[in-house]
Amino acid sequence: ILNVEQSPQSLHVQEGDSTNFTCSFPSSNFYALHWYRWETAKSPEALFVMTLNGDEKKKGRISATLNTKEGYSYLYIKGSQPEDSATYLCAFWALSSNYQLIWGAGTKLIIKP
Amino acid sequence: DTAVSQTPKYLVTQMGNDKSIKCEQNLGHDTMYWYKQDSKKFLKIMFSYNNKELIINETVPNRFSPKSPDKAHLNLHINSLELGDSAVYFCASGTSGAYQETQYFGPGTRLLVL
Repeated sequence: ILNVEQSPQSLHVQEGDSTNFTCSFPSSNFYALHWYRWETAKSPEALFVMTLNGDEKKKGRISATLNTKEGYSYLYIKGSQPEDSATYLCAFWALSSNYQLIWGAGTKLIIKP
Repeated sequence: DTAVSQTPKYLVTQMGNDKSIKCEQNLGHDTMYWYKQDSKKFLKIMFSYNNKELIINETVPNRFSPKSPDKAHLNLHINSLELGDSAVYFCASGTSGAYQETQYFGPGTRLLVL
């Protein structure tokens, strides 16, 4: 069974602080790792897709890194703002996943003003 | 314009009924998906449909069947609804069905089976 684990499950962060959380995935037959942002009452929206070991992607104050050899990715948020409050999902795609995204349960981020 | 739309947004029905959820995408994508968000909040793939090729998650009961009248639509039909079918169902579309594609999600349909 292919599992994606995200930690922590939820996170409260003071506005202005920086934070990060983890996505762990099986490292064999790796093709791609995706990060999505899911605001309450909305649909998941894509943030990044990463494919190469050592990849780093950035979008504004949000960035992500990828280690395919050890099977983890970090998402970083610098200077958290209230609008960053959301659930952050990661998903991976592997040969062994039958060409499908396998999703984690997400890290719920709450920014305290 | 809504890129991926689903109807209805809420569906409350009795056990044993048959119901359908509709999904439409106006992005011109080739691939569409149905996901079920389970009780632990995981998104579980149910079906993917790409150029008339249907890939079924083997864990999905055969009471669930996708129907695609054309490339822009992938509807989900559920026969003999059970209590355990209560969940949020998301439709999504993607450009290629390949590992780098971005998926675009609909707003979800909240199904409650009584």
